[in-house]
Amino acid sequence: ETGVTQSPTHLIKTRGQQVTLRCSSQSGHNTVSWYQQALGQGPQFIFQYYREEENGRGNFPPRFSGLQFPNYSSELNVNALELDDSALYLCASSLGGTTNEKLFFGSGTQLSVL
Amino acid sequence: GENVEQHPSTLSVQEGDSAVIKCTYSDSASNYFPWYKQELGKGPQLIIDIRSNVGEKKDQRIAVTLNKTAKHFSLHITETQPEDSAVYFCAAVGWAGTALIFGKGTTLSVSS
Repeated sequence: ETGVTQSPTHLIKTRGQQVTLRCSSQSGHNTVSWYQQALGQGPQFIFQYYREEENGRGNFPPRFSGLQFPNYSSELNVNALELDDSALYLCASSLGGTTNEKLFFGSGTQLSVL
Repeated sequence: GENVEQHPSTLSVQEGDSAVIKCTYSDSASNYFPWYKQELGKGPQLIIDIRSNVGEKKDQRIAVTLNKTAKHFSLHITETQPEDSAVYFCAAVGWAGTALIFGKGTTLSVSS
């Protein structure tokens, strides 16, 4: 059984650019959630995907978008990067659709926007 | 929406002592409360969780208690060890059940 894997582990972009982050869910898990963790803070919910559709969204602008694929893997896309987007982006998978019990997190992608 | 407050922000104990971290939540409809441990360079790891129909849950040296009336829950670690040193986050279900709302974290340092 493999855990949640994220790629890349680190990324440096400049303001205004676009970025795509990738996540492979834990084996058997059909739900993927994305969180943003600023330095010294708790993770903040971006959105969740279940059955390839967005299932809930936090207080993030439309330039944050995502996809879930038939194999349950997922992408997070951020357009028009801003300096404040610098953070650790965490992907979490779970089994259960609309519930948030037993979320398992990957190690994250550290994004730096210069 | 849901709001989770966590205290203290830092906690230093001697090896073998107990550690207690407390959280309060605002949404009385929340029904699931997990605790995560995050080590440097890693993602949060689920260490214990509790549902609102249970008042206490134990797993070896770790226990969680929930007081629904007061809307607070606590993590108790007994016989602390240096490897318990990490950042601990409490969370509660929010956003109509589709999100975990996290506290700001507690940095626990266990010295030997």
